[in-house]
Amino acid sequence: QKEVEQNSGPLSVPEGAIASLNCTYSDRVSQSFFWYRQYSGKSPELIMSIYSNGDKEDGRFTAQLNKASQYVSLLIRDSQPSDSATYLCAVNMYNDYKLSFGAGTTVTVRA
Amino acid sequence: DGGITQSPKYLFRKEGQNVTLSCEQNLNHDAMYWYRQDPGQGLRLIYYSQIVNDFQKGDIAEGYSVSREKKESFPLTVTSAQKNPTAFYLCASSTGTGYGYTFGSGTRLTVV
Repeated sequence: QKEVEQNSGPLSVPEGAIASLNCTYSDRVSQSFFWYRQYSGKSPELIMSIYSNGDKEDGRFTAQLNKASQYVSLLIRDSQPSDSATYLCAVNMYNDYKLSFGAGTTVTVRA
Repeated sequence: DGGITQSPKYLFRKEGQNVTLSCEQNLNHDAMYWYRQDPGQGLRLIYYSQIVNDFQKGDIAEGYSVSREKKESFPLTVTSAQKNPTAFYLCASSTGTGYGYTFGSGTRLTVV
């Protein structure tokens, strides 16, 4: 079983819609959770971090964490063509410097 | 501005040649990492270092070597033993456990 799994893409959404990205992880003692956005040919950039159960909102992005279900999600509201990218879920296991990454979900926002 | 600088942006390697990818950070981060990304694939960890003069192998260390003589620098050497080195190489740094990474802009390595 992979440590971090993301829903397979690609995900195509119309402009203005909500894009929903899901991520599950295997280690119950994971502490920190991150979402990165990676445009084609570019390096990943951190867009959200979440550490406790519940929702965290930043502009059009909302991260949701449920540690009991070992589940973290990212919602992109009012999707724009500039949101078209691959989104990587990353999890920090307890007392570990390293992040474990999912394979990514590619999102395409169609005008 | 603080950040991570990777160079060169593009690198071409001939068969049997060793090449070194540079990674420098001025964020005062303790930890540094090297990842490899193949087309359509996720990130695979090559090596990481938590402190100066110490580093650990990641999941795919064979055919690669690193050094960490200075806090700011973590160069990666792709040796001739790495039979399929064509990939996008990403360097990252972090302040420690529980913190996200900051990534460099990457080096695209191609075997010619």
